[in-house]
Amino acid sequence: KAGVTQTPRYLIKTRGQQVTLSCSPISGHRSVSWYQQTPGQGLQFLFEYFSETQRNKGNFPGRFSGRQFSNSRSEMNVSTLELGDSALYLCASSLEGHRESPLHFGNGTRLTVT
Amino acid sequence: AQTVTQSQPEMSVQEAETVTLSCTYDTSESDYYLFWYKQPPSRQMILVIRQEAYKQQNATENRFSVNFQKAAKSFSLKISDSQLGDAAMYFCAYRRNNAGNMLTFGGGTRLMVKP
Repeated sequence: KAGVTQTPRYLIKTRGQQVTLSCSPISGHRSVSWYQQTPGQGLQFLFEYFSETQRNKGNFPGRFSGRQFSNSRSEMNVSTLELGDSALYLCASSLEGHRESPLHFGNGTRLTVT
Repeated sequence: AQTVTQSQPEMSVQEAETVTLSCTYDTSESDYYLFWYKQPPSRQMILVIRQEAYKQQNATENRFSVNFQKAAKSFSLKISDSQLGDAAMYFCAYRRNNAGNMLTFGGGTRLMVKP
């Protein structure tokens, strides 16, 4: 079974631009979560989608948004990029967000903002 | 808000020996999950072991085991017979029950394994 696939693996953008990252969950998984990883702030939860609905949201500004499609694939968008948005963005999926369903992570997208 | 603290930024262990990574957390919840994740240079987070707070028995997975002290809010990871492939960043994480997949992570411990 294919794992969680994130594209692209690397991305370089300029301050002020916007970016879209993509995540394809494991087949059959309906929950998709996004995390931001930086050296300074560590791993922080961005948001979670389940059946095309945002179920949980972390403490990030409105410039960070996401969505989930009917096939469970998810995208996250960051508008008006800032230097501090440079990070590894990790996507994770699970069958559904309940107690017995482990979280599977992708390899991440490394975003660099210049 | 929940917090997770890993007080050891770096640890090293000799191959074949045992090492323990520390984790403490703060929560007012009684029903939650705790996890240890491994992140090798490939960047993919891999679940090592998990513990349900309602279970008193410590979880074990082959060479990996935990010491879960609920009253002390402590959740340490013991790696026995360390192997070179165990070298990675290790993250402790907390998830409240009914919180979907919203995890709170500790700052991580870099484990080095010496041959």
